Amino acid sequence: DAGVIQSPRHEVTEMGQEVTLRCKPISGHNSLFWYRQTMMRGLELLIYFNNNVPIDDSGMPEDRFSAKMPNASFSTLKIQPSEPRDSAVYFCASSNTGQVPYEQYFGPGTRLTVT
Amino acid sequence: GDSVTQMEGPVTLSEEAFLTINCTYTATGYPSLFWYVQYPGEGLQLLLKATKADDKGSNKGFEATYRKETTSFHLEKGSVQVSDSAVYFCALTSGTYKYIFGTGTRLKVLA
Repeated sequence: DAGVIQSPRHEVTEMGQEVTLRCKPISGHNSLFWYRQTMMRGLELLIYFNNNVPIDDSGMPEDRFSAKMPNASFSTLKIQPSEPRDSAVYFCASSNTGQVPYEQYFGPGTRLTVT
Repeated sequence: GDSVTQMEGPVTLSEEAFLTINCTYTATGYPSLFWYVQYPGEGLQLLLKATKADDKGSNKGFEATYRKETTSFHLEKGSVQVSDSAVYFCALTSGTYKYIFGTGTRLKVLA
């Protein structure tokens, strides 16, 4: 099993630019999560999809952030326009809600730096 | 609401020392409890889990016992190695998709 795949691993961009982060969950998993990790705030859940449908987006910081899951094997997190305070590591995780408890499997993360 | 409290780090130990990282929780119902480990530059990996009271999770020499009476899930290892240096996260889920993570405890093991 390839695990959760994220790309790019590192992204450096200038303030105001659009950033798109990508995630491929583990095959057969029906839930997908986007997290943000910073020193100040720790690990924050941004959005949760179940069967490709956004269920909980209460953690999305503001309208500049959007996420999509067009099919079971792909999701994107987009920031437009980006700001320096968006600099963080963004993790994607997936799980199978048919197995209780719902063990989450994390990708390696995308380190985003906005200058 | 549900919450997880971990001991503040960093924890610095010499190789072969005994490790304890404290974790306590507050939850309604009967949560499942987890320890995740994050090595430098990597994502979180499940280390061990326990799904009911008195269960002991174990993996790679690490152990944690689900103590309902003290609402605790402390992580222990009898003899740490340099390769155990990482950040350790305690987490719970109360049967839903939502995980509640602790703030993480950084462990540094010196040779």
